[in-house]
Amino acid sequence: GQQVMQIPQYQHVQEGEDFTTYCNSSTTLSNIQWYKQRPGGHPVFLIQLVKSGEVKKQKRLTFQFGEAKKNSSLHITATQTTDVGTYFCAAPYGGATNKLIFGTGTLLAVQP
Amino acid sequence: GAGVSQSPSNKVTEKGKDVELRCDPISGHTALYWYRQSLGQGLEFLIYFQGNSAPDKSGLPSDRFSAERTGGSVSTLTIQRTQQEDSAVYLCASSRTTGAYEQYFGPGTRLTVT
Repeated sequence: GQQVMQIPQYQHVQEGEDFTTYCNSSTTLSNIQWYKQRPGGHPVFLIQLVKSGEVKKQKRLTFQFGEAKKNSSLHITATQTTDVGTYFCAAPYGGATNKLIFGTGTLLAVQP
Repeated sequence: GAGVSQSPSNKVTEKGKDVELRCDPISGHTALYWYRQSLGQGLEFLIYFQGNSAPDKSGLPSDRFSAERTGGSVSTLTIQRTQQEDSAVYLCASSRTTGAYEQYFGPGTRLTVT
C-alpha cells in the first residue's frame, strides 16, 4: 500500500545550525503538505506544494517538491529554539484529495 | 474565526467503560477527520466524513470504535469497552472541500485508560 516515509526520525542540532528532513513516497503524489507539531501541541499546517520541482520559502524554511513528485524536503536555515517540534509531511491517500496519509515525522531538538 | 474545538481535553476512564469524545469543526468546513496519536508516534487515521457522503471508516482499529457526525457539523467518536491500548491523544481536524485542502487540527483529547 501507499507509504510515506520520513528521515531522519530524530535530529538534534545546536542553535544556528541548519536542519533538513526528507519525505519519500512509494507513489507519485498530486501534492504534498507539511505540518509542524510543537511538544504537547497539535499539528499546524505550514505549506502545500503542488507543482513538480516547486520550491517555496517561509522566512528560514525552504520547502521543495521533487521533479518526479515522489519526494519532498523541508530545510531550516539557522535553527532557533522556536523551531523545536515534530515535522510531518502529508500526502493525499489513494487518489482521494481530502484524505491524507501522514509521514512518520521528524522530531527536531535544538540546543541553545 | 474560531478554530476546531474538542472536548474533553483530558479523560481518564477505567478499562471496560465507554467514552465519547466530541469535535466541533470550523464553521463551513465540510470535511472532518479523526486521528489517533500515541506517545511519540505519528498520526493514525481513524475515520473521515465528507459532507453527506458515507464516512470512510477504513482506519477504525476495531468494532469498538464508532463515530457519527450530526447535521454535517459536530462529530462524536465513541469507544466502547475501552482497553489500555486505547490510551492516546485523539485529534480531530477539519478542512474545506474546494480549493486548498489543508487540515486544521483541534487541541486533542488525551485519553487514559486505567
